[in-house]
Amino acid sequence: DSGVTQTPKHLITATGQRVTLRCSPRSGDLSVYWYQQSLDQGLQFLIQYYNGEERAKGNILERFSAQQFPDLHSELNLSSLELGDSALYFCASSVRLAGDGEQYFGPGTRLTVT
Amino acid sequence: KNQVEQSPQSLIILEGKNCTLQCNYTVSPFSNLRWYKQDTGRGPVSLTIMTFSENTKSNGRYTATLDADTKQSSLHITASQLSDSASYICVVRRNTGNQFYFGTGTSLTVIP
Repeated sequence: DSGVTQTPKHLITATGQRVTLRCSPRSGDLSVYWYQQSLDQGLQFLIQYYNGEERAKGNILERFSAQQFPDLHSELNLSSLELGDSALYFCASSVRLAGDGEQYFGPGTRLTVT
Repeated sequence: KNQVEQSPQSLIILEGKNCTLQCNYTVSPFSNLRWYKQDTGRGPVSLTIMTFSENTKSNGRYTATLDADTKQSSLHITASQLSDSASYICVVRRNTGNQFYFGTGTSLTVIP
């Protein structure tokens, strides 16, 4: 158990809908990273937050957004969902701002768009 | 273009045997290289993190090497166990903009 929690574990929704994925980092970790893992693309870095502020952006679509709250939990919002958004979404946390430290991954949320 | 390529794509070995997985990258400027182990349907677990100045790093039966000049890394697994069956993913962090680039992984199956 990494200490990172993600909810829900599974999510099934229809195209065009909007969903919110939630991540609670390990106690004491200020950085939260979001990743997408699809069958055809592998793992991709989406976005990083540190202590409430966006710090780095990867291949995140404009339909997706994230935020980190004062209690350090983070939410990833996916809107206007398409079939291709079906994937595993992981968050990871780290104590450091810079990406040179250990990242601890959560168990993931499996999103299925039908 | 910043890319990470891993080989082989899949590998089957007998329990107790050794194996080596490869990772080549073109990510620049380089910050660090990580190897993760990912069991099916679970989050990746870090095995090693190597910076530019580190050539070798071990974590139990896992030994990673890095040649920053040729931009190659390898992960050597010694005396494999059934529990080593997983996907092994190479990740390179780019020094600019805190970006991470993932390989597509090597799927390792250890059979008794």
